[in-house]
Amino acid sequence: EAQVTQNPRYLITVTGKKLTVTCSQNMNHEYMSWYRQDPGLGLRQIYYSMNVEVTDKGDVPEGYKVSRKEKRNFPLILESPSPNQTSLYFCASSLSGGHYEQYFGPGTRLTVT
Amino acid sequence: AQSVAQPEDQVNVAEGNPLTVKCTYSVSGNPYLFWYVQYPNRGLQFLLKYITGDNLVKGSYGFEAEFNKSQTSFHLKKPSALVSDSALYFCAVRALLMDTGRRALTFGSGTRLQVQP
Repeated sequence: EAQVTQNPRYLITVTGKKLTVTCSQNMNHEYMSWYRQDPGLGLRQIYYSMNVEVTDKGDVPEGYKVSRKEKRNFPLILESPSPNQTSLYFCASSLSGGHYEQYFGPGTRLTVT
Repeated sequence: AQSVAQPEDQVNVAEGNPLTVKCTYSVSGNPYLFWYVQYPNRGLQFLLKYITGDNLVKGSYGFEAEFNKSQTSFHLKKPSALVSDSALYFCAVRALLMDTGRRALTFGSGTRLQVQP
């Protein structure tokens, strides 16, 4: 089954404790992206990757890091999480970054206390 | 900068009635336009998109959308609503940002559709 998986689905952590949210897709997609969803703000792009070893900032990259060492994986790293990073996070992938629709993972609900 | 506006936080409609969820956008150049739906505790699912050509686009679950270039709108429509259509709907636009050269994807804030039996 074609899918995007994210882990963990739920995470409660404390300020400053480094964490990684994993994302994996099995569709051989070139383009992958991370979004955060906050009430009334829709989805905002954090980082995206056009292909292996090619990443770039989205609209709200501060406080986040990513890497793309393999085509299927695109982990999101929070080196020192803060309470304002409490949010619902989605990973997505698509064939490329043009007119192709994106496939979304189920989401990771992160709470930073 | 590009932007997407979904002017209604919530749309209420009775089952069997037609529904419209509004979306307007502001971009430089020609946009690609998308609609996604989000059911509770799920990720977003693609409904339909406009790239070029016919202004009326048909998508999944009986939904359609009309691209109107002069009004910069891309409203989502369905002739007869179902209770199961109740969900959160997002409009999105992808266009070339002139300052960065990036083809950014921007989402609206979402519209909650509530279909009453």
